[in-house]
Amino acid sequence: GENVEQHPSTLSVQEGDSAVIKCTYSDSASNYFPWYKQELGKRPQLIIDIRSNVGEKKDQRIAVTLNKTAKHFSLHITETQPEDSAVYFCAAEEDDKIIFGKGTRLHILP
Amino acid sequence: DAMVIQNPRYQVTQFGKPVTLSCSQTLNHNVMYWYQQKSSQAPKLLFHYYDKDFNNEADTPDNFQSRRPNTSFCFLDIRSPGLGDAAMYLCATSRASGRYEQYFGPGTRLTVT
Repeated sequence: GENVEQHPSTLSVQEGDSAVIKCTYSDSASNYFPWYKQELGKRPQLIIDIRSNVGEKKDQRIAVTLNKTAKHFSLHITETQPEDSAVYFCAAEEDDKIIFGKGTRLHILP
Repeated sequence: DAMVIQNPRYQVTQFGKPVTLSCSQTLNHNVMYWYQQKSSQAPKLLFHYYDKDFNNEADTPDNFQSRRPNTSFCFLDIRSPGLGDAAMYLCATSRASGRYEQYFGPGTRLTVT
């Protein structure tokens, strides 16, 4: 079955700097890779996703890149703001479900 | 405009006393999921329904069961809650398969005394 590894587990960046979170997956049949953001005490919410037919996708300050050959994908957040502080989960689809990475706790330092 | 609703938001139960958590959706999605999430961990999938087809994860304890009487509703039954079952329980829906966004409910925080 699919296995998703996520690094780092914790990341602290100065406000205004960029943050990068990396994930690898094991099943080459996976074609959909979402990223969820979970603020403290709230539900996970999709912030961006990418399908295997593209290598990069951007939405304002957030971008995701995918390398299918190497089986890794990354989340890039530019010009970080205090409201970016949260836990971020990458995931990869497997049949009817998604397999989550263990999460990255992002701290934005003032 | 709540799309995935969970009741109750907070549930306190006694050790060994059965408890039922409920989830409803207004999205008319085919797939409904139940996750268990403990502090600082990723959501752990317990089971999911694709329409009426039930899919249990291999490591989901027998103590957890689920029902989906219709498209809109899904229930999580914990037959004999133990202290280790205290967690946030998240319900989610998806239009179809794992290749679509999952919409999460606000969760039910379960406390076992």
